[in-house]
Amino acid sequence: AQKVTQAQTEISVVEKEDVTLDCVYETRDTTYYLFWYKQPPSGELVFLIRRNSFDEQNEISGRYSWNFQKSTSSFNFTITASQVVDSAVYFCALSELSGSARQLTFGSGTQLTVLP
Amino acid sequence: DTEVTQTPKHLVMGMTNKKSLKCEQHMGHRAMYWYKQKAKKPPELMFVYSYEKLSINESVPSRFSPECPNSSLLNLHLHALQPEDSALYLCASSPSTSGRSTNEQFFGPGTRLTVL
Repeated sequence: AQKVTQAQTEISVVEKEDVTLDCVYETRDTTYYLFWYKQPPSGELVFLIRRNSFDEQNEISGRYSWNFQKSTSSFNFTITASQVVDSAVYFCALSELSGSARQLTFGSGTQLTVLP
Repeated sequence: DTEVTQTPKHLVMGMTNKKSLKCEQHMGHRAMYWYKQKAKKPPELMFVYSYEKLSINESVPSRFSPECPNSSLLNLHLHALQPEDSALYLCASSPSTSGRSTNEQFFGPGTRLTVL
């Protein structure tokens, strides 16, 4: 079974629409970390946010907001009033213990296209 | 300095060539990573160096040879590659891989490799 599932392969919205990217994870760790990365066409993976498993407070940063729900093992990402520059592939990732070291597992990514 | 740099940005090589990819970070991180990313796929972990020692090798073919000369530098030596090795190669660093860390990884811009 996939540890990080991003069921939406591609999403297309028109500028100024709100869009939510879904992420569902699976882990047996009691302490784990979740991340969202953005990968624009240039290729670089840009870190957006980290969320600790023991902190379920939702977070807002400008037009970005994240909803972490342990009860449903979900960590969803919402972009409000989307812009063309938001077009990119977005990856959700899980950091959990593998032996004594932490490893990052990526979801398959969601390609977001924002049309003008 | 919160940047991970990679050179070259693009590389085209023949199957008999020997080339090297370079990665550098000056954040004092003690863990460095190589990932391979094919189009429309998430990054796949290849190697992890922790405190300049190879700690993880994800069954990567021997035509890829990593090297960590010091805590700031990471190289990937390429020899006798196949066309299917064409991909984006991403380097990342994190403060640590220990269980107490978050394993928050910072990525470089990548090297787009084409093998003819």
